[in-house]
Amino acid sequence: NAGVTQTPKFRVLKTGQSMTLLCAQDMNHEYMYWYRQDPGMGLRLIHYSVGEGTTAKGEVPDGYNVSRLKKQNFLLGLESAAPSQTSVYFCASSPRLAGVHRGRSEQYFGPGTRLTVT
Amino acid sequence: EDQVTQSPEALRLQEGESSSLNCSYTVSGLRGLFWYRQDPGKGPEFLFTLYSAGEEKEKERLKATLTKKESFLHITAPKPEDSATYLCAVRGSTLGRLYFGRGTQLTVWP
Repeated sequence: NAGVTQTPKFRVLKTGQSMTLLCAQDMNHEYMYWYRQDPGMGLRLIHYSVGEGTTAKGEVPDGYNVSRLKKQNFLLGLESAAPSQTSVYFCASSPRLAGVHRGRSEQYFGPGTRLTVT
Repeated sequence: EDQVTQSPEALRLQEGESSSLNCSYTVSGLRGLFWYRQDPGKGPEFLFTLYSAGEEKEKERLKATLTKKESFLHITAPKPEDSATYLCAVRGSTLGRLYFGRGTQLTVWP
């Protein structure tokens, strides 16, 4: 049981380039999330998904797109990378949705992708 | 606006020296408070969920408590392997969104 995995682990992009970060989970969780973590700031939610084919905006969605074509995968895309998107990106999944379901709504995180945009 | 503030930002303890980390929150109707541990270069690892004031959870040397305005993570007789950044998050009024604090970086030296 691998839990939540992320690909790639590291990436360096030039301004204007595009890329896709892949997140996979093998826990059959319905809910998946993308966060970014910057020094001196808490984790901030970019987008999330409440099920296959359904996504929603989080706190900082601008400059990112997501897709959830399969239940186990959640993709984060950067169409035109900017230096402000230099960050560590974490994917997470949960069996239930906090605030809607009581219990088992904790999120399980992947190991992260460290992205540098020059 | 939903907010989470953690204190102190950093804490150094000698092995065996018990202490507490604080998480103060402002949310419109708390729907869950979560504690995570994060080691350098890794993703956050889930520790506890608390839902109601007065609730407590324990795991080994860690105990989390919750009041209407704050949560404490008590560390009893810590060991060097407890060194990590501890994150607090709350689920407030916005569906699907957890608000994370900046974390407390704990260092336990032998």
